[in-house]
This record gives sequence, C-alpha cells and structure tokens, in this order.
Amino acid sequence: NAGVTQTPKFQVLKTGQSMTLQCAQDMNHEYMSWYRQDPGMGLRLIHYSVGAGITDQGEVPNGYNVSRSTTEDFPLRLLSAAPSQTSVYFCASSYAGLAGGPGTGELFFGEGSRLTVL
Amino acid sequence: AQSVTQLDSHVSVSEGTPVLLRCNYSSSYSPSLFWYVQHPNKGLQLLLKYTSAATLVKGINGFEAEFKKSETSFHLTKPSAHMSDAAEYFCVVTLPGGNQFYFGTGTSLTVIP
Repeated sequence: NAGVTQTPKFQVLKTGQSMTLQCAQDMNHEYMSWYRQDPGMGLRLIHYSVGAGITDQGEVPNGYNVSRSTTEDFPLRLLSAAPSQTSVYFCASSYAGLAGGPGTGELFFGEGSRLTVL
Repeated sequence: AQSVTQLDSHVSVSEGTPVLLRCNYSSSYSPSLFWYVQHPNKGLQLLLKYTSAATLVKGINGFEAEFKKSETSFHLTKPSAHMSDAAEYFCVVTLPGGNQFYFGTGTSLTVIP
C-alpha cells in the first residue's frame, strides 16, 4: 500500500534555483493538492487539481506551478526559489465528490518534503 | 467563507487524564469537519470526520468529537491520554462538494508521564 509518495524528502536550494517536488498516488484519486506547512500557520493550500488536465490555485499560489498530465502524478514546480519558500510541503489526494471536488472524503497525505532555500 | 479556529495552540495533560482540544468553525452552509493528527516528522492522518450523520463521531485510538451546530464547535476529546497521543492536531472544515479544505493553525498536545 504505497498511498501518496513524495520525493525528495529533503532539499536545499539556493535563491533563484528551480526544482520540482514530485507527488504520486496509487489510489486512483481524482483530487490532488499541494500544501505548505509553516509554524503557527497550519496548512495552506497552494494548488489543487480535480482531474487530469485540470488545475486551480489555492490560497498561496505565487511562485509555484503545477500540471496534471496523469491521474497518478501531480508535480509542484518552484520556478525561482526564494527564502520565503522555505517550508514543509505536503501532497494530499482524495476521491472527488459532487461537482468534482473532494466532497466529504478524507485527504490522504504524503510524508512531506522539507525544503530550505538559502 | 469557511474557517476554523483552534482555541489553544498548546495543551498539556498528564498521562491517564482526559484530553480536550477545542475547535470552532465558521461556515455558511452545512460543513464537513475533520480532525487530523500529525506525529513528529510525519504526514497527517485522519482521526475522525463528521459528514452530517451522527453528531457524536468516534475515531481511531479512542478519540471522539461532537458536532454542536448551536455552538459552531467540534471539540476533540479522549477519556484517558496516552504517551503516544503526543502530537499536533488539526481541525479542518470543508463544504460537501467543495474543492478546498481549510485547516486550523493546530494544537500541540504534550502528555506528561
């Protein structure tokens, strides 16, 4: 039971570098999402997708890009890393409820990717 | 708009005593509510969820929560704390069919031996 798999678990970048955080799920979930977790702020939604080819912005999308070419994968790209993007990133998936959203289903989380931008 | 407020950022209890983690929500419609737990350096795991069925919801590891519409609350309780309960707990709200989950800022639970 792989569930939601995130790679890498740890990454250190220099300001201005780009990188991609990978997320894959094997539960055939239509809904996938990326969150960042910062001390005292809970989890904040960056981007989400309700199916292949469909993505939308969450609460804090600036500086991040996503794409969804397959049901299984939902990579998060940092185009030009900044120190403000130092955080722990979580990918989460869920089955889609009514209107294509996560409905009342639970979110299944990966174990996180800790990113430090110097 | 939907939001949740976790009233305590830190809670400390002695092993074997009751646990109460408080959560108030704001929602224009009938929400779905969840409690998630995060152990150190781990992802989040669902403890329990309320989705307009029974107002008293039982979850894993002896936790339960009661949905009180009149008080817009969804507090998490456990009769007797165990050392393994030490973790961060998040209250979460979403609308049925909605595309976004809204997280509280978390409550850190410490269990004293």
